[in-house]
Amino acid sequence: DAGITQSPRHKVTETGTPVTLRCHQTENHRYMYWYRQDPGHGLRLIHYSYGVKDTDKGEVSDGYSVSRSKTEDFLLTLESATSSQTSVYFCAISEWQQAYEQYFGPGTRLTVT
Amino acid sequence: GENVEQHPSTLSVQEGDSAVIKCTYSDSASNYFPWYKQELGKGPQLIIDIRSNVGEKKDQRIAVTLNKTAKHFSLHITETQPEDSAVYFCAAQNNAGNMLTFGGGTRLMVKP
Repeated sequence: DAGITQSPRHKVTETGTPVTLRCHQTENHRYMYWYRQDPGHGLRLIHYSYGVKDTDKGEVSDGYSVSRSKTEDFLLTLESATSSQTSVYFCAISEWQQAYEQYFGPGTRLTVT
Repeated sequence: GENVEQHPSTLSVQEGDSAVIKCTYSDSASNYFPWYKQELGKGPQLIIDIRSNVGEKKDQRIAVTLNKTAKHFSLHITETQPEDSAVYFCAAQNNAGNMLTFGGGTRLMVKP
């Protein structure tokens, strides 16, 4: 998985609780992305980062925030989890400016009850 | 924004046959089209990609074709093997060049 780890790999949480997912890379790539994967929707971009402390919104950013204080770490936070955020979350990294060749991590399965 | 449609959603073939998955996109300015393979419980893996200045690209048993005029691109797998069974995703890079839009996926089943 191209030197990408995600933690935790599985999590069950209750509605209304905050949740933080972590993506860690050892490739020193500039670009990092968070996607969610739901049946029939493929992968949808939540947020992405183009450098330390530089982030931007993706297609489905409502209810999510991100932070990147180091090149190797990209955090995704659900401030108050809802059942609609039950999903599999994937982190991806890319070296080039225009999103060429994104490499994905193993994923985190999140269940909000 | 960009919209990517992928067909079929499921595809079953006999081992040794060919498989074709098709995608259409909406943004004529898109210029990068990757294909990913996802096995159960794993993250998507990039298997082949094509840029808009190329009409076809081949890598052993897999090939991708691109028709910019019609705004569609296809993945071709020849001599399929059971290990090709997986979910395949197409994607298109948006005009600004900062994000990929994915199709809904195709579940390919190769019967021994």
